[in-house]
Amino acid sequence: DAGVIQSPRHEVTEMGQEVTLRCKPISGHNSLFWYRQTMMRGLELLIYFNNNVPIDDSGMPEDRFSAKMPNASFSTLKIQPSEPRDSAVYFCASSPNRGKNIQYFGAGTRLSVL
Amino acid sequence: GQNIDQPTEMTATEGAIVQINCTYQTSGFNGLFWYQQHAGEAPTFLSYNVLDGLEEKGRFSSFLSRSKGYSYLLLKELQMKDSASYLCAVRLHNTNAGKSTFGDGTTLTVKP
Repeated sequence: DAGVIQSPRHEVTEMGQEVTLRCKPISGHNSLFWYRQTMMRGLELLIYFNNNVPIDDSGMPEDRFSAKMPNASFSTLKIQPSEPRDSAVYFCASSPNRGKNIQYFGAGTRLSVL
Repeated sequence: GQNIDQPTEMTATEGAIVQINCTYQTSGFNGLFWYQQHAGEAPTFLSYNVLDGLEEKGRFSSFLSRSKGYSYLLLKELQMKDSASYLCAVRLHNTNAGKSTFGDGTTLTVKP
């Protein structure tokens, strides 16, 4: 398996623009997580899905952030409009809902909002 | 709220042994994970403890005491490539979704 695949790897945009981050989880994994990582705040859970259904979005900072999982193999995290304080590395992770429930992380998207 | 504490930074010498501690106070507990994250890369799974005691895997061992809300990661025979951030994470509930809360991580620097 190729692991969790995220795109793009890097995104540079200007304040006010819409940003869409994409994630393909590992095939057969039932849970998908979106995290944001910064030096100041560490690794923060934004939202997670179980069987394509959003379970907990309490970590989503504000209405500018939205996430969807239209099917078991694809999820998006959208920021509209983007702001400089959104600059961070965004990770997607998936887990199999069995055993230890280890989370497998994608390589991340490094977002810079100018 | 959930509270997971780890030292921010540690330094050790190549070939030595280092212990990274993690204490937690969480609303639930269903296992504790350690992840390794090299600079500029994604976290990767190292170990999982759900019962009290020591789990050994090669040069790395992880210990858990549920009554004390305490875990440590022990790294032996340190190598330069062990320089990384080590994240402690607590799985809160025995649910299918496997949500975990992460600590801020301990940055380990291994020196020659």
